[in-house]
Amino acid sequence: DGGITQSPKYLFRKEGQNVTLSCEQNLNHDAMYWYRQDPGQGLRLIYYSQIVNDFQKGDIAEGYSVSREKKESFPLTVTSAQKNPTAFYLCASSNLAIGNQPQHFGDGTRLSIL
Amino acid sequence: AQSVTQLDSQVPVFEEAPVELRCNYSSSVSVYLFWYVQYPNQGLQLLLKYLSGSTLVKGINGFEAEFNKSQTSFHLRKPSVHISDTAEYFCAVSEEGGSEKLVFGKGTKLTVNP
Repeated sequence: DGGITQSPKYLFRKEGQNVTLSCEQNLNHDAMYWYRQDPGQGLRLIYYSQIVNDFQKGDIAEGYSVSREKKESFPLTVTSAQKNPTAFYLCASSNLAIGNQPQHFGDGTRLSIL
Repeated sequence: AQSVTQLDSQVPVFEEAPVELRCNYSSSVSVYLFWYVQYPNQGLQLLLKYLSGSTLVKGINGFEAEFNKSQTSFHLRKPSVHISDTAEYFCAVSEEGGSEKLVFGKGTKLTVNP
């Protein structure tokens, strides 16, 4: 079955530590996205990428970094500069070739501070 | 820039009752509209989308929504809800001809009681 795999499902970070969240898709989608979800806040876009080796900042990129070395992979690093990283992180992808197609979502990673 | 307002943060209803979840958007250009559902600790699943054509859109699980351009609304309805419809529902908008980024509302928590 095609889909988006996020790992790990739960992640704990110590103060001052960088952590990387994995997102892999086998849908052959061009575009990939990272969102942060906080209770009562909806989803906010962190970064997105429409093509390999290129990515754009979203609304809340500070304290985060990404890479897009392969079409199927879009890892997100939460750096120590992100002072409030506790949240639910969702990865999504979409097929730009068809146009205006809905985004498909993974099952998320819940990040907590120790 | 677009914005989405979901007018109710929580909606409690009894099983087999009808429900309407309200969504209003703001945009200076034409938009595409989406409703997603999220069950606890999971990603988002697409319920329905409006791209063009008929303003009444039918989705999965018996849900439907009506696009009203003059009122800039896209309310979600179901004539008879089940316990299993208990979840959080998100309205989202993207700009026609844009980068296909989604802007989400803050969500409506639907609780169906027996």
